Amino acid sequence: DIQVTQSPSSLLASLGERVTITCQTSQSISNNLNWYQQKPGQAPMLLIYYATSLQTGMPSRFSGQYSGRSFTLTITSLEPEDIANYFCLQHYSAPHTFGAGTKLELK
Amino acid sequence: EVQLVESGGGLVKPGSSLKLSCVASGFTFSSYGMHWIRQAPKKGLEWIALIYYDSSNKYYADSVKGRFTISRDNSKNTLYLEMNSLRSEDTAMYYCARTLGVMDAWGQGASVTVSS
Repeated sequence: DIQVTQSPSSLLASLGERVTITCQTSQSISNNLNWYQQKPGQAPMLLIYYATSLQTGMPSRFSGQYSGRSFTLTITSLEPEDIANYFCLQHYSAPHTFGAGTKLELK
Repeated sequence: EVQLVESGGGLVKPGSSLKLSCVASGFTFSSYGMHWIRQAPKKGLEWIALIYYDSSNKYYADSVKGRFTISRDNSKNTLYLEMNSLRSEDTAMYYCARTLGVMDAWGQGASVTVSS
């Protein structure tokens, strides 16, 4: 099974700050990784798919990059509505595996 | 509007069975693969099963293989998860999600609690 290591597990940031979250996979998955945002009591929402593509309707301050087995989600300028949990998901092969999540909170 | 609505959750005793449903609307259900994913309280997400659009292939996480069965009825736009021999560690919110290569829409979830 492909392991996905997500860091950090929690993050304190200020409004307007640049935020970066990383997922590292245990083997190469090309660009088969998505990022999701989940707010308390809600289902996850797709933010970024195939590592770099912004889902329709999601703000352009969200972006994704990757290099080899390392994947990054960046929020260029943190807004209040961005306070949430963030997960990555590899869908290169079954079983699909999620990162453990990052809890993003306001400093 | 794409909608996925799960139902069938509840409180059950260890060793019992439960069947979840996920009714889809707003898209051509028969064209999409479908997943079940769960999230235990205060834990991360765990993928548990995938079924192809035509039921030709099914995949399971090791944690549920042999106990859970994913199925679908394209005539009813409905996805199912039959869960047998339930354990306390199966307690979670269960989500269905659609995929055409990307898991892009999720339901709101159905809560399953396994406790004596």
